[in-house]
Amino acid sequence: GAVVSQHPSRVICKSGTSVKIECRSLDFQATTMFWYRQFPKQSLMLMATSNEGSKATYEQGVEKDKFLINHASLTLSTLTVTSAHPEDSSFYICSAMLDRVSSGTYEQYFGPGTRLTVT
Amino acid sequence: KNQVEQSPQSLIILEGKNCTLQCNYTVSPFSNLRWYKQDTGRGPVSLTIMTFSENTKSNGRYTATLDADTKQSSLHITASQLSDSASYICVVSLNDYKLSFGAGTTVTVRA
Repeated sequence: GAVVSQHPSRVICKSGTSVKIECRSLDFQATTMFWYRQFPKQSLMLMATSNEGSKATYEQGVEKDKFLINHASLTLSTLTVTSAHPEDSSFYICSAMLDRVSSGTYEQYFGPGTRLTVT
Repeated sequence: KNQVEQSPQSLIILEGKNCTLQCNYTVSPFSNLRWYKQDTGRGPVSLTIMTFSENTKSNGRYTATLDADTKQSSLHITASQLSDSASYICVVSLNDYKLSFGAGTTVTVRA
């Protein structure tokens, strides 16, 4: 259980276009999802926290108008990179929060990531 | 400055051998410390989770230790296999929502 999928796994787009990445929790509902970015040989960096039915919370330095996040259902969050530039090329990873009510603990489960290349 | 430092940055070991990865952190207080395995081009997969009161946690051939006094953790891989080749990431949770990630240690297992 607790599987998170991302689509697409790889995408190449031209500079100036927009790209949408989907993150789905396949076998559980996630009120909260997270979007991370990872550059080669670096740590995952949190971009934003996505809450179902409300606006996302962006980390300092992340442009909310460039990285649009929509969390319209308990199993789907989307990240749209608008007017993409080559410097946006990166590995984007989402995670979904699983609330284990029985134990009162939370766990983030990560998706497989999306490799974005902007030419 | 990153609050979670890992060493070594990378290492190469022969199949069947053991290795130990280190993690030093400054995040305090923290909720828990986790070790993840990240295969190339994939998302991280959880190996172990320890609260600040736990000293050790095992998951098959993976054994994590935690010394909350010295703010150090280690991940020991026993009898390495080729499939253990991956990046291993130490993650310290301030709370359930805020995670501090280390840069990872890249392990290469050779036959």
